[in-house]
Amino acid sequence: DTGVSQDPRHKITKRGQNVTFRCDPISEHNRLYWYRQTLGQGPEFLTYFQNEAQLEKSRLLSDRFSAERPKGSFSTLEIQRTEQGDSAMYLCASSLFGGNEKLFFGSGTQLSVL
Amino acid sequence: AQTVTQSQPEMSVQEAETVTLSCTYDTSESDYYLFWYKQPPSRQMILVIRQEAYKQQNATENRFSVNFQKAAKSFSLKISDSQLGDAAMYFCAYRILTSGTYKYIFGTGTRLKVLA
Repeated sequence: DTGVSQDPRHKITKRGQNVTFRCDPISEHNRLYWYRQTLGQGPEFLTYFQNEAQLEKSRLLSDRFSAERPKGSFSTLEIQRTEQGDSAMYLCASSLFGGNEKLFFGSGTQLSVL
Repeated sequence: AQTVTQSQPEMSVQEAETVTLSCTYDTSESDYYLFWYKQPPSRQMILVIRQEAYKQQNATENRFSVNFQKAAKSFSLKISDSQLGDAAMYFCAYRILTSGTYKYIFGTGTRLKVLA
């Protein structure tokens, strides 16, 4: 069990650029979540996958955001035409369906949009 | 509305003493799980303790225990014999099944400082 890994740890980009983050969940976990966390706040739900199916997207997720989980393994979160308001920590978490319902988090990707 | 309220933005405790962090939540669901997560400066969220709503017995994990009051929708965390390594942000959360999706709702957190 190597835990949930996210790449990169930090990303600095200019407004208007596209960015893509990657999340590798714990290998046997079939549920994967993306959350966004701003300073002083708790994580806010963005989207959820069960295996390769994206089952829910938050209203927080504008059309500029897209997430995929091909083959039900790793996941990517892409933000197009970044805005300064996108600056946040993006957290990925995974859990096992039928398991003990524990959510395991990665270390996050800190995005700064200049 | 599905919300989690942590009314204490910051708490301090002397090393080896006991501290209680409060949490209230609002949900119309009857079946849910409750969690406390710790987020140290490294920013990685770590599960501290969890409670199934259908269980009346309060969960305990070593120095960590909860006081779960279902009717009052209250879920406080007690840390006994506080250690310097306990210093972190603590988030209360619950998990519900809604529209076929499991969703976790987090509070805004309580920053715990441990004084030597």
